Amino acid sequence: DTEVTQTPKHLVMGMTNKKSLKCEQHMGHRAMYWYKQKAKKPPELMFVYSYEKLSINESVPSRFSPECPNSSLLNLHLHALQPEDSALYLCASSQVTQSNYGYTFGSGTRLTVV
Amino acid sequence: AQKITQTQPGMFVQEKEAVTLDCTYDTSDPSYGLFWYKQPSSGEMIFLIYQGSYDQQNATEGRYSLNFQKARKSANLVISASQLGDSAMYFCAMRPITSYGKLTFGQGTILTVHP
Repeated sequence: DTEVTQTPKHLVMGMTNKKSLKCEQHMGHRAMYWYKQKAKKPPELMFVYSYEKLSINESVPSRFSPECPNSSLLNLHLHALQPEDSALYLCASSQVTQSNYGYTFGSGTRLTVV
Repeated sequence: AQKITQTQPGMFVQEKEAVTLDCTYDTSDPSYGLFWYKQPSSGEMIFLIYQGSYDQQNATEGRYSLNFQKARKSANLVISASQLGDSAMYFCAMRPITSYGKLTFGQGTILTVHP
């Protein structure tokens, strides 16, 4: 079992809907990340949270709104998405300072915007 | 700025044979870590192996070994005794060994293992 849990695994939403993706980890990691991945492409970084504060926003459109309610939870709120936003959304976590162990990823949420 | 290059979009290997997946990188950071991840069709990114830029020995993890040549800036993944379950996308990635260092991925290589 992965140590980073993402829900839901699959999501279909209309362009006028509002939905949220959830990510949870209990490894004591204080850095959490959202990535977007299109088919057969590498993951693209969207947001970085460090100690529950947003530290990096990679110029992501405002229709994506991240939230880190506590050190174990990371949400991605979605509204007014476009069909091109359909992708696999991966959450990851890591130690802030121990970079030698990379990131631990969740299984992702496959999002389809119709 | 960091850049990772994987020049093999796809690779084929016979079951039980060894295969090498290529990765070259470029960075101005003096200290960095190199990683390989496996991504099956299910989507999960699975960590395989890590190599630090100052590590003297090449990393090994079971059937996975990393052929690290610092002067040539290459970090190739060698999979020995390939299994059908090794069929997946493989990503090489790099992260500077500093706080807030971002993990940068290469374009990936799709490995197909034939029986």
